[in-house]
Amino acid sequence: EDKVVQSPLSLVVHEGDTVTLNCSYEVTNFRSLLWYKQEKKAPTFLFMLTSSGIEKKSGRLSSILDKKELFSILNITATQTGDSAVYLCAVDNTDKLIFGTGTRLQVFP
Amino acid sequence: EPEVTQTPSHQVTQMGQEVILRCVPISNHLYFYWYRQILGQKVEFLVSFYNNEISEKSEIFDDQFSVERPDGSNFTLKIRSTKLEDSAMYFCASRRGDYSYEQYFGPGTRLTVT
Repeated sequence: EDKVVQSPLSLVVHEGDTVTLNCSYEVTNFRSLLWYKQEKKAPTFLFMLTSSGIEKKSGRLSSILDKKELFSILNITATQTGDSAVYLCAVDNTDKLIFGTGTRLQVFP
Repeated sequence: EPEVTQTPSHQVTQMGQEVILRCVPISNHLYFYWYRQILGQKVEFLVSFYNNEISEKSEIFDDQFSVERPDGSNFTLKIRSTKLEDSAMYFCASRRGDYSYEQYFGPGTRLTVT
């Protein structure tokens, strides 16, 4: 059965800390891996990764994929209170997304 | 910046009633999706739609569910006879087309079945 596992489930940090969120997967037909940020409602697209070892970066956020070991990490440096959200990892299995449970990040001042 | 929109934001209905959830995908997108998220659970795939037909559907998407693109802009999800367990947040998503795989999500419709 296809599955996506995220860890940790929950993370509490102070502003300025750096965090690493993990996502491992077992999927029969991998096309890409996507990261989303979910605050109140809609998952907001962050990154899509298709190739191993190529880092995607946007401001303080970065992500990388390892297709051999079947995992991805999302790094957030110098965290801010506005980074507080649930971060979702999803794997595109030939045009349907399979989601993990998410990591809830809380950043305190 | 273009975005996916959904209406209503919250729908309350009685068990056995029909509901239609509406979505307006991003205008130049060709692939459309519905997902749902039961409170406290994962986001789950329901159905994908391309070229006016269903591409793939999950086990959840049984005969009670249907999708339609009635005109050039709307994409709807109909639940014929709602059950208590249909209570969830329903997300619509769209993506542009071939070789562009990012799916963009709408804000969701919270469906409450009483």
